[in-house]
Amino acid sequence: DAGVIQSPRHEVTEMGQEVTLRCKPISGHNSLFWYRQTMMRGLELLIYFNNNVPIDDSGMPEDRFSAKMPNASFSTLKIQPSEPRDSAVYFCASSLGPANEKLFFGSGTQLSVL
Amino acid sequence: GEDVEQSLFLSVREGDSSVINCTYTDSSSTYLYWYKQEPGAGLQLLTYIFSNMDMKQDQRLTVLLNKKDKHLSLRIADTQTGDSAIYFCAEWGSQGNLIFGKGTKLSVKP
Repeated sequence: DAGVIQSPRHEVTEMGQEVTLRCKPISGHNSLFWYRQTMMRGLELLIYFNNNVPIDDSGMPEDRFSAKMPNASFSTLKIQPSEPRDSAVYFCASSLGPANEKLFFGSGTQLSVL
Repeated sequence: GEDVEQSLFLSVREGDSSVINCTYTDSSSTYLYWYKQEPGAGLQLLTYIFSNMDMKQDQRLTVLLNKKDKHLSLRIADTQTGDSAIYFCAEWGSQGNLIFGKGTKLSVKP
């Protein structure tokens, strides 16, 4: 398996623009997680899905952030409108189940909002 | 709330042993994990320990778990420059999400 695939690897955009990050989990994995990593706050869980259903989105910073998982092999994280403070590395991860399983991470999307 | 704490930095000389420490709050996690993040990359699972075990050894890596004190440590023997990375301790929280510490940046000097 190719592992968790994220795109794009890098995204540079201007404040106010819409940003869409994409993730393809490992085939057969039922849980998908979106994390954000910054120097100040470390790794923060934004949202996670189990069997394509959002289970906990309490980490989503505000209404500008939204995430979808239309099927078992694809998820998006959208920021609209983007702000400079959204600049971070966004990771997608997947696992076989929601707990007590190993998490596999993608390579991340480095987002810079100017 | 649930929390995982780690020291932020560790510097060692090549060939020495490294010990990275972690404390956690939720004792219901069945497994505890160590992840490694190299520059510009995602996190990779390095090793993990079942919560009923005290120790796990895997080549140069030794994981020690003290459930009473909720303390987890990772020892890397004969540390190499290739071990330079950020190491994250993690446990499953009660809400079904993996909770990470802020990571310990290990610097290995030749």
